[in-house]
Amino acid sequence: GQNIDQPTEMTATEGAIVQINCTYQTSGFNGLFWYQQHAGEAPTFLSYNVLDGLEEKGRFSSFLSRSKGYSYLLLKELQMKDSASYLCAVTDSNYQLIWGAGTKLIIKP
Amino acid sequence: IAGITQAPTSQILAAGRRMTLRCTQDMRHNAMYWYRQDLGLGLRLIHYSNTAGTTGKGEVPDGYSVSRANTDDFPLTLASAVPSQTSVYFCASSKDGSNQPQHFGDGTRLSIL
Repeated sequence: GQNIDQPTEMTATEGAIVQINCTYQTSGFNGLFWYQQHAGEAPTFLSYNVLDGLEEKGRFSSFLSRSKGYSYLLLKELQMKDSASYLCAVTDSNYQLIWGAGTKLIIKP
Repeated sequence: IAGITQAPTSQILAAGRRMTLRCTQDMRHNAMYWYRQDLGLGLRLIHYSNTAGTTGKGEVPDGYSVSRANTDDFPLTLASAVPSQTSVYFCASSKDGSNQPQHFGDGTRLSIL
C-alpha cells in the first residue's frame, strides 16, 4: 500500500529553526509537495521537489532524497504566524497526490 | 471571483437528504479535485477531473458523484447523506493533471445528523 509518515505534532520556539520530516512509500514517484494549513483554513502551496537536493525559498527550505524515500521541510527564524499544520504529499506513478496526515507545529514565545 | 469559490461555507444536513456542494474557479485550470479532510487523516481524494467532460474516481468515491460540464464548475453531490460523510470538503484545481501545485477553496464544513 501507499504510505506517508510525518510526526503528528512538534513544538518549537520563536526565532529558532525546526525540521519537519516526511517519509514515503508509494507506487512510483513523480514529485513531492509541502503545503501549509492554518487551523480552519485551506492548504496553501509551499514547495515542490522532484530531484534530490535542497530547494530554498526565503525562510523555508525543502530537501528530498528519492533513494531513501525521505524529505524534510526546514523553517528558519520561526515566527508565531508559522504555527500551522504542514502537509507532505507525494505524486505517484498515476500522477495522483497521496497526502500525509500533516504535522501540527506549535510555536512558543 | 478570484481563485476558487466553494459554497456553502457550512451546512447541517439531515441523513438521507441530497446535497450538492458547489465549486467554481476562474483560473482556467484544466484539472479539478474534491477532497475530504477528517481529523487525524490526510486529505483523501473523492473524485477528480483532468479536463472538462471527464471525471475519475479517487480513493473514497462511494456515496459521491461529480460532473464537469465546463472548465469552471465542478459540483459534488451526495445523493443520500449519511453521518459518516460528516467532514470538511475541499475543492482544488491545478493547471493540468500533472505536477502542478493545487490551489484550494476555503472548504465546506458539512455535518450530517
